[in-house]
Parts: sequence; C-alpha cells; structure tokens
Amino acid sequence: NAGVTQTPKFQVLKTGQSMTLQCAQDMNHNSMYWYRQDPGMGLRLIYYSASEGTTDKGEVPNGYNVSRLNKREFSLRLESAAPSQTSVYFCATRDESSYNEQFFGPGTRLTVL
Amino acid sequence: AQSVTQLDSHVSVSEGTPVLLRCNYSSSYSPSLFWYVQHPNKGLQLLLKYTSAATLVKGINGFEAEFKKSETSFHLTKPSAHMSDAAEYFCVVSGGYQKVTFGIGTKLQVIP
Repeated sequence: NAGVTQTPKFQVLKTGQSMTLQCAQDMNHNSMYWYRQDPGMGLRLIYYSASEGTTDKGEVPNGYNVSRLNKREFSLRLESAAPSQTSVYFCATRDESSYNEQFFGPGTRLTVL
Repeated sequence: AQSVTQLDSHVSVSEGTPVLLRCNYSSSYSPSLFWYVQHPNKGLQLLLKYTSAATLVKGINGFEAEFKKSETSFHLTKPSAHMSDAAEYFCVVSGGYQKVTFGIGTKLQVIP
C-alpha cells in the first residue's frame, strides 16, 4: 500500500501563477485534509473533506480552493500564487475507526517568487 | 473550543539523558491525543496515541506519554535520548466533528 501520496514534491512558482497540488490515498478513509506548515506555527488546516463530494474551510482557506472528486483524491489549487503561500503543504487522511489517527503524505515544498 | 499548548519551542538534552516534552490541551469533548515526530525535510510519523484505554501510553522508539486529566496534560518522555531523536515533535488533539488541532511544535536537540 502506498498510503498517502502527494505530487509534486517540489515546485517553484512566480507570483500570479496557478497550480494544483495533488493528493491520493489508498487507505479507504473518508476524511482528507490539507495543511500548510510554516516555521514556528505548526500545521494549520487549510481545507478538509469529510467525505466524497463535501469540503469545508479550515483555519487559513484564503487564496486556496479544493476538489474532492472521489474518495481517493483531494486536490488543492492556488489560483493566483502569492509569496505568502510559500510553505510546505501536507495532505492527510483520518481513520475514524482508529481514534481519529491521521496519516500524512510526504509533503510538497512550494516556493513563490 | 479546543486548543493545544506546547510549552517549549526548543528543548536541548545530552545524549543518554531523559527527555521531557510538555503538552497541555483543552477540549470540550473526551479527546484523542497524539504525538507526531517530524525529522528534517520529512513527513509526520505517529509516535503514540491516547484513546482512553490506558493513561500511560507507550509508543515507538522508547517514547511514552501520560494522560493526566486533572492537569489537562499529555507530556512526552523518554528515559534516555539518542542522537536519532533529534527532530520536531507535535502534540495533537482530536475531538468532536473533524476537529484536529496541532501544537506549534517542539524542536528537540540532542547534544553528543
């Protein structure tokens, strides 16, 4: 099992460019999450999806959109990238049958110039 | 409301000495509590989790945490630090519908 996979691993964008971060899981979990990690701030929730076809805002949703097209995949889109979105992005799933343990992807390191 | 406070942003210990990383939480529900570890430029790995079955929880790599409801604490300990323990550690609380809250992290430095 691959677990949670993310693409790409690294990306450099110019201000104003758009891109989509992809996340896929083979764990059959209903819930999926997007976080960003910045130094000294821990992980902050951008968006989450409790099930296929549903999405909700987290703590820092501005500048992002998400799509949960099926149970396996949850994508994060930056429509017009800004330097403040330079961060490491993690996708995660949550196992409701195991006390809400989360499983994380390897991360995407994004730099916006 | 739900929150997590990691009381130290940096902890430095000598190799072979005990490790204590402190975490306090608040939650309106009976929470699940977790400690995750992140080595440099890596993803997050689960160290251990509290699920109300036992207040003393054993995790991987010799780490333990004790849930103290009266103190709303879930401190992480290890009797003897190893160089490979140098990493960032996150305390996480999960309670209620979809609510998962991370602490800001504690960086552990292990001095040879």
